[in-house]
Amino acid sequence: QSVLTQPPSVSGAPGQRVTISCTGSSSNIGAGYDVHWYQQLPGTAPKLLMSGNSNRPSGVPDRFSGSKSGSSASLAITGLQVEDEADYYCQSYDSRLSGSGVFGGGTKLTVL
Amino acid sequence: QVQLVQSGAEVKKPGSSVKVSCKASGGTFSSYTINWVRQAPGQGLEWMGRIIPILGIANYAQKFQDRVTMTADKATGTAYMELSSLTSEVTTVYYCARSPTAHDAFDLWGQGTMVTVSS
Repeated sequence: QSVLTQPPSVSGAPGQRVTISCTGSSSNIGAGYDVHWYQQLPGTAPKLLMSGNSNRPSGVPDRFSGSKSGSSASLAITGLQVEDEADYYCQSYDSRLSGSGVFGGGTKLTVL
Repeated sequence: QVQLVQSGAEVKKPGSSVKVSCKASGGTFSSYTINWVRQAPGQGLEWMGRIIPILGIANYAQKFQDRVTMTADKATGTAYMELSSLTSEVTTVYYCARSPTAHDAFDLWGQGTMVTVSS
C-alpha cells in the first residue's frame, strides 16, 4: 500500500493527451512538500521527469507538464509518442514518517 | 559529468547481509544527499533511506530501521548501503539516487544493483 495513490494504468493514442494523478494527504503533499515525477523505461533506472511540482529538467520535452493542488498532483503528457510508453512514479516526503521519502505505486502508460 | 556507478549483481544466502556501493564517477558528492531506493520485479519504487555524506548523517525508513546501515566515504566519493537478515525474497534491484537536499528530487540515479537471495 503506497502512501501516494496513482492509477495503475492509463492509455492513449499517439498525439493524444493523458494525465496521471497522484493523491496524497495532509502529511505529505498537503503539508507543502513538493511532488516530483520519474519516468522508468523497461529495464532501466528511473529518470527525473519533473521536479518541484512543475519544473522540467533540461532535456525533458515541453510535452510534459506538472501541477499540484492541495494534497494532489498531476502529470500531463500532450502529443503522446510511442516512446512515452513507460512507468511513471510520483514522489514526495511525509512529515508523519519523519520526513521519509514516499512514492506512488506507479502508473503504466500504454500508447495504443 | 557526474555519474553514479553502482557495484555489480550479488547472490546471497538467506540470513546473510549484502553491501552495495555507489560511486560518484567524474566528481564528488559535494553537499548532495544520497538516497537508496529498491524495486522488486514488476513492483514499484520503495524509499529505504538517505545519507548526507558531508555530514555522515543517515535517516532510514521505519521498515528497514533495524537492518539497514548507510555510510559514505567522502575521500573516495562512495556511498554504501548494507542490508542484513536477508530473506528469501524475490530478486530485488537497489538504486542509489542523488538529491540536492534531503527533501528534494532525485536528479541522478545509479544503474541499479540486482540482489538475489537464494539458498
